[in-house]
Amino acid sequence: ILNVEQSPQSLHVQEGDSTNFTCSFPSSNFYALHWYRWETAKSPEALFVMTLNGDEKKKGRISATLNTKEGYSYLYIKGSQPEDSATYLCALAGRGGGADGLTFGKGTHLIIQP
Amino acid sequence: DTEVTQTPKHLVMGMTNKKSLKCEQHMGHRAMYWYKQKAKKPPELMFVYSYEKLSINESVPSRFSPECPNSSLLNLHLHALQPEDSALYLCASSQEGLAGAIEQFFGPGTRLTVL
Repeated sequence: ILNVEQSPQSLHVQEGDSTNFTCSFPSSNFYALHWYRWETAKSPEALFVMTLNGDEKKKGRISATLNTKEGYSYLYIKGSQPEDSATYLCALAGRGGGADGLTFGKGTHLIIQP
Repeated sequence: DTEVTQTPKHLVMGMTNKKSLKCEQHMGHRAMYWYKQKAKKPPELMFVYSYEKLSINESVPSRFSPECPNSSLLNLHLHALQPEDSALYLCASSQEGLAGAIEQFFGPGTRLTVL
């Protein structure tokens, strides 16, 4: 059983501030790490999929890093905007194989305050 | 079309009912997934289909019966459910291969309430 931990559980950030949160996972069971953004009443939307130690990915103001040796990933949001309010889910693909289901963390619930 | 659709959006059923959840995608994805999410918990994998064949079953009770009639459709047949099965049921799809290193596309979910 894979254990994916996310912290903090929730976060209030002022508009314009930058923020980051953490996903940790067992480094011994790793194929890929996914980040999803899930807005209320919408579908979870993929942000990044990372596979290599040291990977860094960026999409607009959001970026992520991956350390597979120590088993963690950081998600950064620069200059937070109200539309960034969502739950950010980290998920691990640890099984291999052609189609691999994901093991999710509980998520970080981010609220951007105007 | 990069959308995964799920019907119905909401479903209320009794413990003796039989109902089905439906998921559809037209992205040519050959891997499809069912996840279950209970309140304040992360989504949990239930089933994975690869090329219309069941490849992963996460020890789900037999009152949940998945079916993949073709490459675009995924059903979840429900029978004799318990109130604790009330949850959000999410469907997802992805390209096959790459050992989980490819994004999954999620539907909006079906909110199921079992009375």
